[in-house]
Amino acid sequence: AQSVAQPEDQVNVAEGNPLTVKCTYSVSGNPYLFWYVQYPNRGLQFLLKYITGDNLVKGSYGFEAEFNKSQTSFHLKKPSALVSDSALYFCAVSGATNKLIFGTGTLLAVQP
Amino acid sequence: GAVVSQHPSRVICKSGTSVKIECRSLDFQATTMFWYRQFPKQSLMLMATSNEGSKATYEQGVEKDKFLINHASLTLSTLTVTSAHPEDSSFYICSARVPGVGELFFGEGSRLTVL
Repeated sequence: AQSVAQPEDQVNVAEGNPLTVKCTYSVSGNPYLFWYVQYPNRGLQFLLKYITGDNLVKGSYGFEAEFNKSQTSFHLKKPSALVSDSALYFCAVSGATNKLIFGTGTLLAVQP
Repeated sequence: GAVVSQHPSRVICKSGTSVKIECRSLDFQATTMFWYRQFPKQSLMLMATSNEGSKATYEQGVEKDKFLINHASLTLSTLTVTSAHPEDSSFYICSARVPGVGELFFGEGSRLTVL
């Protein structure tokens, strides 16, 4: 069975500092990995994905994520956080079943 | 990017009534759409996979007769919550995958409140 773990319910970071939101996964076969962001009472917006190729993936709004096969991780990163980055972030994985399974979400709070 | 539109964004109904939520792919054809449910401060739970021209595939524990899904065309899927009760109150989100593209595109969600 496929699963995603986001170990942190909330991440706090000061504006201008680097941020990391953690994600680990379990899936049969090759993983397709995604990060989405959700603002209050809104749908999800796609940030980035890893399908194949370079382990470092660059996405929207300056975010990037690194696929680490040995650690089964796909952590989301940004070199310099903005207050406007404050939102709920979801990691998701799709494997052989073609279904997209989401983690529990991590609330990112960026303080001015 | 691809756009998925959901309507209505908010709906309030009385207990026992039925509510229909529409999900449209605006600039692409979607043979498959997905319906998710999100409880407050929780993750998205996949409810069912909607297949154009055939029956939906429901996840374990989701009542087929409670949550009716119809995917009558390549651009429209509907979710009908039948005989709604307060415990059905939730945020319902649809999504679709553009053919040949890996990621899902999501609608803006529909907040259902059953009184």
